[in-house]
Amino acid sequence: GAVVSQHPSWVICKSGTSVKIECRSLDFQATTMFWYRQFPKQSLMLMATSNEGSKATYEQGVEKDKFLINHASLTLSTLTVTSAHPEDSSFYICSARQGTGTDTQYFGPGTRLTVL
Amino acid sequence: AQKVTQAQTEISVVEKEDVTLDCVYETRDTTYYLFWYKQPPSGELVFLIRRNSFDEQNEISGRYSWNFQKSTSSFNFTITASQVVDSAVYFCALSEALDAGNKLTFGGGTRVLVKP
Repeated sequence: GAVVSQHPSWVICKSGTSVKIECRSLDFQATTMFWYRQFPKQSLMLMATSNEGSKATYEQGVEKDKFLINHASLTLSTLTVTSAHPEDSSFYICSARQGTGTDTQYFGPGTRLTVL
Repeated sequence: AQKVTQAQTEISVVEKEDVTLDCVYETRDTTYYLFWYKQPPSGELVFLIRRNSFDEQNEISGRYSWNFQKSTSSFNFTITASQVVDSAVYFCALSEALDAGNKLTFGGGTRVLVKP
């Protein structure tokens, strides 16, 4: 149980284009999903917290107009990187939490974005 | 603010050796949760354990064991008789009960390399 998927697993795009990444909880309903960014050999950096049916809460320094997050259902959240640039190249990981409070976060396999 | 420190950036061992990963945390909350995740080369974070601040009992799961000591704010992780498949980056993380978003604060990670 507690499986989270992400799609695509990797994507290469041209500078200036937008890329959408999907995060799905496969066998449970996720009231909250989180989006992280990870640079090579570094730890995870939380970008935003996404609650189903409400606006995402972004961490300080994360541009909400750049990284659009939609959590339209209890099993799906999407992250859209708008007008991507090479500096947006990174490993993006989502996680999903089943309940409220401090229930464990289960992570997706990640999406590697390369912007040319 | 909460903080998690993993002082060891990389540990290299030979197969069958034991390896202990240190994790020290800082928090002003009296109720909090500690986690360990494994990130193999594939990139997906695998949940290993969750421990709440009121449960100081050590835990063993197969070759894995955890030593939680509130007196020293540490939550160390030991792999006994290491195997090549244990090669990965291991992250310690903290979540505070008073944090409305119940976000995870990650340590910097410890890369474990198990040589045959």
